[in-house]
Amino acid sequence: QSALTQPRSVSGSPGQSVTISCTGTSSDVGGYNYVSWYQQHPGKAPKLMIYDVSKRPSGVPDRFTGSKSGNTASLTISGLQAEDEADYYCCSYAGSSTFVVFGGGTKLTVL
Amino acid sequence: EVQLLESGGGLVQPGGSLRLSCAASGFTFSSYAMSWVRQAPGKGLEWVSTISGRGGSTYYADSVKGRFTISRDNSKNTLYLQMNNLRTEGTAVYYCAGGAGTGFDYWGQGTLVTVSS
Repeated sequence: QSALTQPRSVSGSPGQSVTISCTGTSSDVGGYNYVSWYQQHPGKAPKLMIYDVSKRPSGVPDRFTGSKSGNTASLTISGLQAEDEADYYCCSYAGSSTFVVFGGGTKLTVL
Repeated sequence: EVQLLESGGGLVQPGGSLRLSCAASGFTFSSYAMSWVRQAPGKGLEWVSTISGRGGSTYYADSVKGRFTISRDNSKNTLYLQMNNLRTEGTAVYYCAGGAGTGFDYWGQGTLVTVSS
């Protein structure tokens, strides 16, 4: 069982928007503004999509938006494209003891 | 261009040891905290360990504490993970990643470790 809870799967049609949630506790997601999101295509390494809750690294399309409310972080992908189909993982800093926790991952299917 | 190249994976028996290496290039290695993240076959990502830029601070997941040791040689731009007393649940692709709890900016392609008799 992962420390952060994500839905196992979400789906949407091209052009639509989808939101993936990531629920933790006040010791991780809710306690720090250090939530990051990763995209992973089959057989490939993960790729950083969002860091510090809502910041996008250079080269990541602005269709990807991160946010947080309380103990739940969210990744919203708007204007879905076929290449967005992948697994998505959330991650949070969890203090100097536990340090880092990941979510279990969400499979995004573009219909 | 940033590159992280892992090596050292392979087949090892339960209770055995293995040392992973990660050669870095394309960024100021000594300025970056570095981490190992693993992924068991068909499963999600699991953080394993992190080391600060100068190597003075190290952090471990409870699942590997006391058995794994992370280290780095900034003169060689190389990150290491010494894995002792390996268990079957340690079978995974091990990724080297640049960064720490605030975000893993860079990732290698991973090296497969199989723990089996």
